[in-house]
Amino acid sequence: EVQLVESGGALVQPGGSLRLSCAASGFTFSQYWMTWIRQTPGMGLEWVATLKGDGSGEAYVDSVRGRFAISRDNAKNSLYLQMDSLRAEDTAVYYCAKHTIWAFDYWGRGTLVTVSS
Amino acid sequence: QSALTQPASVSGSPGQSITISCTGSSSDVGYDNLVSWYQQHPGKAPKLIISEVTKRPSGVSDRFSGSKSGNTASLTISGLQTEDEADYYCCSHAGGNTNAFGSGTKVTVL
Repeated sequence: EVQLVESGGALVQPGGSLRLSCAASGFTFSQYWMTWIRQTPGMGLEWVATLKGDGSGEAYVDSVRGRFAISRDNAKNSLYLQMDSLRAEDTAVYYCAKHTIWAFDYWGRGTLVTVSS
Repeated sequence: QSALTQPASVSGSPGQSITISCTGSSSDVGYDNLVSWYQQHPGKAPKLIISEVTKRPSGVSDRFSGSKSGNTASLTISGLQTEDEADYYCCSHAGGNTNAFGSGTKVTVL
């Protein structure tokens, strides 16, 4: 059974940093692209960042490029999102998701990031 | 990287069919056939219901179907049921390794 479990969400002050983790199981992690997607409370979904199975091919939404970094450790079956220079508008539930053919077939339950002073 | 446009809400009676549109541009929806749809119930993670415009993952009801014409993709729910009441989002490949989600549509079963 495929499982994705996010962790690392917290309350952080504007300008602060946070590292999210996603622990994957139930599939050959290194063979799949992975993505972070966020959802502002009560609002819609926003694609944040994507990474190929071999750790190449990073892509980011314009609003986080230069502040966020997606990475993975295939030996640990884990995906990460390093978030720096956090802003109030980064407040959201962050989901990690596994790719199928350019769609997201499995999602975690999400982890809440709140940026506030 | 603009959000794709969906109607904010669509409603229908049980047994009816409804269609949700997802309008983008030639740089995303119209570029290739990599449009997917997701269903999200309150407090839950989104669930993939359509990939590559028309493909249903295993276990998804055949009451859900997808199509595309030009820069607009559509999701049709036929034989509307109470459990279909949820938020629905489209998503499209938007060039390179990027994606764009739609603004979301709340489906209400009257």
